Amino acid sequence: KNEVEQSPQNLTAQEGEFITINCSYSVGISALHWLQQHPGGGIVSLFMLSSGKKKHGRLIATINIQEKHSSLHITASHPRDSAVYICAVWGGSNYKLTFGKGTLLTVNP
Amino acid sequence: DTGVSQNPRHKITKRGQNVTFRCDPISEHNRLYWYRQTLGQGPEFLTYFQNEAQLEKSRLLSDRFSAERPKGSFSTLEIQRTEQGDSAMYLCASSRKGSSSTDTQYFGPGTRLTVL
Repeated sequence: KNEVEQSPQNLTAQEGEFITINCSYSVGISALHWLQQHPGGGIVSLFMLSSGKKKHGRLIATINIQEKHSSLHITASHPRDSAVYICAVWGGSNYKLTFGKGTLLTVNP
Repeated sequence: DTGVSQNPRHKITKRGQNVTFRCDPISEHNRLYWYRQTLGQGPEFLTYFQNEAQLEKSRLLSDRFSAERPKGSFSTLEIQRTEQGDSAMYLCASSRKGSSSTDTQYFGPGTRLTVL
């Protein structure tokens, strides 16, 4: 079983819809990252959080350390949000990220 | 553009050949990471440098793989005697050591390796 599980694996939405992507992890962590990967490989860090909630524009990330669960929300989704969203945690070693498999989001106009 | 560059962006090679990839991190970043990503999977940690010291290596990094960061700036990842199973995207990331070990990592665009 992967230490980091994301759901759903694939998500298709209509423009304007509210999107939620979930991440559960089984190890103790000191921080969790949400990353965005566009076709072609480039990865961009969206959030790093260790407690509570962070907001950046239309993106909101929450984490519940006790339940070992995080969510990424996208409000008023847009086709340019289409990408793979990856959850990654600092767990075990202090120096490596452990990644989920990613959630492929497609937002249709 | 995150400021981390990787070369080449694509590499096609025949099985058994050696390949070398280069990563140039953001200049003030002293931490550098290599990851490997296969299709449909998240990246997997390969190795980590703080300055020129290689502090951790994954068991995924077989003896055919070697990474260096000789002057604490750019890094190279070499794969000897490539196998078809080495086909993947190789990602480099860098970060700046701050007050914690969980500094934001900035990723390069990756080098896509195809072994025929």
